[in-house]
Amino acid sequence: GAGVSQTPSNKVTEKGKYVELRCDPISGHTALYWYRQSLGQGPEFLIYFQGTGAADDSGLPNDRFFAVRPEGSVSTLKIQRTERGDSAVYLCASSLGLWDEQFFGPGTRLTVL
Amino acid sequence: DAKTTQPNSMESNEEEPVHLPCNHSTISGTDYIHWYRQLPSQGPEYVIHGLTSNVNNRMASLAIAEDRKSSTLILHRATLRDAAVYYCILRDQSSAGGTSYGKLTFGQGTILTVHP
Repeated sequence: GAGVSQTPSNKVTEKGKYVELRCDPISGHTALYWYRQSLGQGPEFLIYFQGTGAADDSGLPNDRFFAVRPEGSVSTLKIQRTERGDSAVYLCASSLGLWDEQFFGPGTRLTVL
Repeated sequence: DAKTTQPNSMESNEEEPVHLPCNHSTISGTDYIHWYRQLPSQGPEYVIHGLTSNVNNRMASLAIAEDRKSSTLILHRATLRDAAVYYCILRDQSSAGGTSYGKLTFGQGTILTVHP
């Protein structure tokens, strides 16, 4: 079956611009996670959704970052006033339930010039 | 979250077994040991997990020390496709640890190189 998909695969933007990154989880998965991975580092947790609500957003670095999942399926990560330090691969994962294995998408590579 | 320690890198030859170690001396009784791996230019993928007993699946085996302060991921016959970064992760799956909401806390992992 279809895995987790993320669009776009690559995004290049200029400093100060707004970007949206999309995640389509596996159908039926209630849990959805966003992670960010900088070069040479392991992924870093950003936010977790259970259904439509953000159950834990403790990993969001500041208020320029926001994520939504309005219908409990597709999620969008939004970054305002992008900075060069936001450049990274943004990974989305979904799981059937809270403690089940997480299935990751291929990621969106964001480059802020 | 309890911390894990892994070697930065390891090398293996194709078709030979690989033993990837992980130390987790501060592990709590409710921490499960999870392994994920990340192939080049891909997202991480689940490999295996366990609590106390050794575990086997089609991908690998997980050997857990009796005191649970260390574990070893075993790839029985390495292939070139197994070249990846391997992450050892602890997840507290008790109700008291529920505030972690299942998030994975990745370290640096072990870079596994497989030689033909």
